[in-house]
Amino acid sequence: DGGITQSPKYLFRKEGQNVTLSCEQNLNHDAMYWYRQDPGQGLRLIYYSQIVNDFQKGDIAEGYSVSREKKESFPLTVTSAQKNPTAFYLCASSIGPQGEDEQYFGPGTRLTVT
Amino acid sequence: GENVEQHPSTLSVQEGDSAVIKCTYSDSASNYFPWYKQELGKGPQLIIDIRSNVGEKKDQRIAVTLNKTAKHFSLHITETQPEDSAVYFCAPGGGLTFGKGTHLIIQP
Repeated sequence: DGGITQSPKYLFRKEGQNVTLSCEQNLNHDAMYWYRQDPGQGLRLIYYSQIVNDFQKGDIAEGYSVSREKKESFPLTVTSAQKNPTAFYLCASSIGPQGEDEQYFGPGTRLTVT
Repeated sequence: GENVEQHPSTLSVQEGDSAVIKCTYSDSASNYFPWYKQELGKGPQLIIDIRSNVGEKKDQRIAVTLNKTAKHFSLHITETQPEDSAVYFCAPGGGLTFGKGTHLIIQP
């Protein structure tokens, strides 16, 4: 089955620790995205990548980092510099460069930092 | 970047009635207009989309209308059913800016 997977579904960390969220797709899509979702805020873009070894900051990139070493993988690291990391994180992919195609979303990872 | 406004933020309708959600945007270069549905605890999923050379598109009980001149597009759901209860998002331009969402509640 083709799709986009995120793991784990729930993640708990202590304040001050970095944590990496996994995102994998086997759809052969070029573009991948990370969004953060808070209640009443909709989806806010953290980072996106249109091609391997290249990525761009979104609206709320501070305190986050990403890598895109393989087409199918786009991991997100939430660093200790992120002031309010507790949120629902969504990864997505699309066939071509952003803007003109459907985005396919993963099931999300709910991160809780205490 | 794109400025997106979505209204209403919450919509409660009786089962069987119609629901309409509106999305306004600022970037006149946008050519792709999707609507996503998100159920509780899941990722959003595309339910209908339209491109700028078309004014309306229907898929069974769901339709999308586009007014490029006025820079808005709307989601129409007819004969609403309990399974339509969810949060709906617009994403004009297909991309990086989403509306803040509309929580649709279907009352039995």
